Amino acid sequence: QSALTQPASVSGSPGQSITISCTGTSSDVGAYNYVSWYQQHPGKAPKVMIYDVHYRPSGVSNRFSGSKSANTASLTISGLQAEDEADYYCSSYASSSTVVFGGGTKLTVL
Amino acid sequence: QLQLQESGPGLVKPSETLSLTCTVSSDSISSINYHWGWIRQPPGKGLEWIGTIYYTGSTYYNPSLKSRVTMSVDTSKNHFSLRLSSVTAADTAVYYCARVPSGYDPNWFDRWGQGTLVTVSS
Repeated sequence: QSALTQPASVSGSPGQSITISCTGTSSDVGAYNYVSWYQQHPGKAPKVMIYDVHYRPSGVSNRFSGSKSANTASLTISGLQAEDEADYYCSSYASSSTVVFGGGTKLTVL
Repeated sequence: QLQLQESGPGLVKPSETLSLTCTVSSDSISSINYHWGWIRQPPGKGLEWIGTIYYTGSTYYNPSLKSRVTMSVDTSKNHFSLRLSSVTAADTAVYYCARVPSGYDPNWFDRWGQGTLVTVSS
Protein backbone atom coordinates (compact mmCIF):
# COMPACT_ATOMS: atom_id res chain seq x y z
CA GLN A 1 0.00 0.00 0.00
CA SER A 2 1.83 3.12 -1.23
CA ALA A 3 0.91 6.70 -0.40
CA LEU A 4 -1.06 8.63 -2.97
CA THR A 5 1.00 11.13 -4.96
CA GLN A 6 0.41 14.85 -4.49
CA PRO A 7 2.53 17.84 -5.54
CA ALA A 8 4.63 19.06 -2.65
CA SER A 9 3.49 22.63 -3.10
CA VAL A 10 1.18 24.87 -5.08
CA SER A 11 0.64 28.59 -4.95
CA GLY A 12 -1.78 31.21 -6.18
CA SER A 13 -2.79 34.81 -5.75
CA PRO A 14 -5.95 35.93 -3.98
CA GLY A 15 -8.97 35.52 -6.21
CA GLN A 16 -7.33 32.96 -8.44
CA SER A 17 -8.16 29.25 -8.72
CA ILE A 18 -5.77 26.41 -8.00
CA THR A 19 -6.02 22.66 -8.44
CA ILE A 20 -4.26 20.00 -6.40
CA SER A 21 -3.92 16.56 -7.93
CA CYS A 22 -3.88 13.23 -6.13
CA THR A 23 -2.71 10.21 -8.11
CA GLY A 24 -3.27 6.67 -6.98
CA THR A 25 -3.79 3.32 -8.63
CA SER A 26 -6.54 1.05 -9.88
CA SER A 27 -6.63 -0.46 -6.37
CA ASP A 28 -7.53 2.75 -4.58
CA VAL A 29 -8.50 6.03 -6.31
CA GLY A 30 -9.41 4.29 -9.54
CA ALA A 31 -11.39 1.53 -7.89
CA TYR A 32 -13.78 3.45 -5.65
CA ASN A 33 -15.61 6.77 -5.56
CA TYR A 34 -14.29 7.23 -2.05
CA VAL A 35 -11.82 10.10 -2.07
CA SER A 36 -11.66 12.68 0.69
CA TRP A 37 -9.71 15.90 1.04
CA TYR A 38 -8.48 17.43 4.30
CA GLN A 39 -7.24 20.90 5.15
CA GLN A 40 -4.73 21.28 7.97
CA HIS A 41 -3.51 24.54 9.42
CA PRO A 42 -0.28 24.54 11.45
CA GLY A 43 -0.71 22.95 14.86
CA LYS A 44 -4.33 22.04 14.19
CA ALA A 45 -6.21 18.83 13.49
CA PRO A 46 -7.19 18.15 9.89
CA LYS A 47 -10.62 19.27 8.70
CA VAL A 48 -12.50 17.44 5.97
CA MET A 49 -13.33 19.61 2.96
CA ILE A 50 -14.56 16.99 0.47
CA TYR A 51 -15.77 13.39 0.78
CA ASP A 52 -17.09 10.81 -1.68
CA VAL A 53 -14.98 12.53 -4.38
CA HIS A 54 -17.08 15.67 -4.67
CA TYR A 55 -19.44 16.15 -1.71
CA ARG A 56 -18.92 19.08 0.64
CA PRO A 57 -19.76 18.69 4.34
CA SER A 58 -22.10 21.24 5.83
CA GLY A 59 -20.27 24.49 6.52
CA VAL A 60 -17.54 24.07 3.91
CA SER A 61 -17.38 26.86 1.37
CA ASN A 62 -18.58 26.11 -2.16
CA ARG A 63 -15.25 27.50 -3.34
CA PHE A 64 -13.94 24.00 -2.70
CA SER A 65 -14.78 21.32 -5.23
CA GLY A 66 -13.59 17.80 -5.97
CA SER A 67 -13.46 15.56 -9.00
CA LYS A 68 -11.93 12.34 -10.22
CA SER A 69 -10.80 10.85 -13.50
CA ALA A 70 -9.43 7.32 -13.63
CA ASN A 71 -6.68 7.04 -11.01
CA THR A 72 -6.38 10.77 -10.32
CA ALA A 73 -8.52 12.90 -8.03
CA SER A 74 -8.41 16.68 -7.89
CA LEU A 75 -9.28 19.42 -5.43
CA THR A 76 -10.02 22.84 -6.87
CA ILE A 77 -10.17 25.98 -4.77
CA SER A 78 -11.66 28.97 -6.52
CA GLY A 79 -11.55 32.59 -5.39
CA LEU A 80 -8.42 31.91 -3.36
CA GLN A 81 -8.35 33.62 0.05
CA ALA A 82 -5.54 34.13 2.54
CA GLU A 83 -7.24 31.76 5.00
CA ASP A 84 -6.95 28.94 2.46
CA GLU A 85 -3.20 28.81 3.04
CA ALA A 86 -2.66 25.41 4.65
CA ASP A 87 -1.59 21.85 3.98
CA TYR A 88 -4.00 19.70 2.00
CA TYR A 89 -4.19 15.91 2.06
CA CYS A 90 -6.16 13.53 -0.09
CA SER A 91 -7.16 10.08 1.04
CA SER A 92 -8.77 7.11 -0.61
CA TYR A 93 -10.49 3.94 0.39
CA ALA A 94 -8.48 0.98 -0.88
CA SER A 95 -8.65 -2.77 -1.19
CA SER A 96 -9.17 -4.88 1.93
CA SER A 97 -11.05 -2.00 3.59
CA THR A 98 -7.94 0.06 4.11
CA VAL A 99 -7.33 3.79 3.78
CA VAL A 100 -4.37 5.50 2.17
CA PHE A 101 -3.38 9.17 2.44
CA GLY A 102 -1.46 11.34 0.05
CA GLY A 103 1.83 12.91 1.02
CA GLY A 104 0.29 16.35 1.39
CA THR A 105 0.45 19.62 -0.54
CA LYS A 106 1.41 22.97 0.94
CA LEU A 107 -0.74 25.74 -0.48
CA THR A 108 0.75 29.21 -0.41
CA VAL A 109 -1.43 32.24 -1.06
CA LEU A 110 0.86 34.87 -2.55
CA GLN B 1 -21.33 19.29 20.33
CA LEU B 2 -19.42 16.08 19.67
CA GLN B 3 -15.93 16.02 21.11
CA LEU B 4 -13.17 13.46 20.82
CA GLN B 5 -10.31 13.61 23.29
CA GLU B 6 -7.14 11.53 23.10
CA SER B 7 -5.35 10.59 26.30
CA GLY B 8 -2.34 8.53 27.25
CA PRO B 9 1.38 8.74 28.03
CA GLY B 10 3.32 11.34 26.11
CA LEU B 11 6.55 9.37 26.43
CA VAL B 12 7.05 5.67 25.70
CA LYS B 13 10.28 3.70 25.82
CA PRO B 14 11.55 1.81 22.78
CA SER B 15 10.26 -1.79 22.52
CA GLU B 16 7.35 -1.02 24.85
CA THR B 17 3.66 -0.70 24.00
CA LEU B 18 1.98 2.60 23.21
CA SER B 19 -1.55 2.81 24.59
CA LEU B 20 -3.99 5.62 23.84
CA THR B 21 -7.66 6.16 24.55
CA CYS B 22 -10.14 8.36 22.74
CA THR B 23 -13.10 9.47 24.83
CA VAL B 24 -16.21 10.43 22.91
CA SER B 25 -18.64 12.93 24.38
CA SER B 26 -22.12 13.89 23.20
CA ASP B 27 -22.46 10.71 21.16
CA SER B 28 -22.77 7.01 21.80
CA ILE B 29 -19.78 5.02 20.68
CA SER B 30 -22.01 1.99 20.14
CA SER B 31 -24.19 3.82 17.62
CA ILE B 32 -24.58 2.04 14.29
CA ASN B 33 -24.15 5.41 12.64
CA TYR B 34 -20.40 5.62 13.15
CA HIS B 35 -17.07 3.87 12.94
CA TRP B 36 -13.95 5.07 14.76
CA GLY B 37 -10.41 5.53 13.55
CA TRP B 38 -6.83 6.43 14.44
CA ILE B 39 -4.48 8.50 12.27
CA ARG B 40 -0.98 9.66 13.11
CA GLN B 41 1.39 12.35 11.89
CA PRO B 42 5.14 12.27 12.55
CA PRO B 43 6.60 15.72 13.25
CA GLY B 44 6.85 17.70 10.04
CA LYS B 45 5.44 14.87 7.95
CA GLY B 46 2.15 13.74 6.45
CA LEU B 47 -0.85 11.84 7.73
CA GLU B 48 -0.80 8.07 8.09
CA TRP B 49 -3.90 5.96 8.62
CA ILE B 50 -3.45 3.46 11.45
CA GLY B 51 -6.79 1.69 11.48
CA THR B 52 -10.57 1.82 11.77
CA ILE B 53 -12.92 -0.12 14.03
CA TYR B 54 -16.39 -0.49 12.60
CA TYR B 55 -19.56 -0.39 14.70
CA THR B 56 -19.85 -4.13 14.00
CA GLY B 57 -16.60 -4.64 15.89
CA SER B 58 -14.60 -5.48 12.77
CA THR B 59 -11.17 -3.95 12.65
CA TYR B 60 -9.08 -2.90 9.67
CA TYR B 61 -5.46 -1.90 9.98
CA ASN B 62 -2.73 -0.34 7.89
CA PRO B 63 -0.85 -3.33 6.42
CA SER B 64 2.47 -1.80 7.43
CA LEU B 65 1.40 -1.69 11.10
CA LYS B 66 -0.99 -4.62 11.24
CA SER B 67 1.29 -6.96 13.15
CA ARG B 68 1.69 -4.42 15.98
CA VAL B 69 -1.74 -2.75 16.20
CA THR B 70 -4.83 -3.55 18.23
CA MET B 71 -7.94 -1.39 18.38
CA SER B 72 -10.89 -1.93 20.70
CA VAL B 73 -14.05 -0.27 21.95
CA ASP B 74 -15.26 0.01 25.55
CA THR B 75 -18.94 0.89 25.40
CA SER B 76 -19.24 1.19 29.20
CA LYS B 77 -16.75 4.07 29.16
CA ASN B 78 -17.77 5.39 25.75
CA HIS B 79 -14.22 5.29 24.50
CA PHE B 80 -12.07 3.40 22.05
CA SER B 81 -8.44 2.48 22.32
CA LEU B 82 -5.24 1.96 20.38
CA ARG B 83 -2.35 -0.28 21.31
CA LEU B 84 0.85 -0.28 19.28
CA SER B 85 3.48 -2.74 20.39
CA SER B 86 7.26 -2.85 20.00
CA VAL B 87 7.55 0.86 19.33
CA THR B 88 10.63 2.55 17.91
CA ALA B 89 11.58 6.18 17.34
CA ALA B 90 9.77 5.96 14.00
CA ASP B 91 6.49 5.74 15.93
CA THR B 92 6.98 9.22 17.38
CA ALA B 93 4.02 11.23 16.11
CA VAL B 94 0.90 13.19 16.91
CA TYR B 95 -1.86 10.62 17.21
CA TYR B 96 -5.40 11.63 16.26
CA CYS B 97 -8.64 9.80 16.87
CA ALA B 98 -11.53 10.46 14.50
CA ARG B 99 -15.11 9.54 13.67
CA VAL B 100 -16.33 7.99 10.40
CA PRO B 101 -20.03 8.18 9.47
CA SER B 102 -21.15 4.70 8.46
CA GLY B 103 -22.84 4.11 5.13
CA TYR B 104 -20.75 6.72 3.40
CA ASP B 105 -17.16 7.13 2.27
CA PRO B 106 -15.19 4.85 4.66
CA ASN B 107 -12.34 7.36 4.69
CA TRP B 108 -14.56 10.34 5.54
CA PHE B 109 -13.18 11.29 8.94
CA ASP B 110 -15.72 13.96 9.81
CA ARG B 111 -14.71 14.76 13.37
CA TRP B 112 -11.21 14.71 14.85
CA GLY B 113 -9.67 14.95 18.26
CA GLN B 114 -7.10 17.65 18.90
CA GLY B 115 -4.27 15.11 18.73
CA THR B 116 -1.73 13.99 21.28
CA LEU B 117 2.04 13.88 20.80
CA VAL B 118 3.66 10.59 21.70
CA THR B 119 7.44 10.50 21.79
CA VAL B 120 9.35 7.23 21.77
CA SER B 121 12.61 7.65 23.63
CA SER B 122 14.59 6.05 26.40
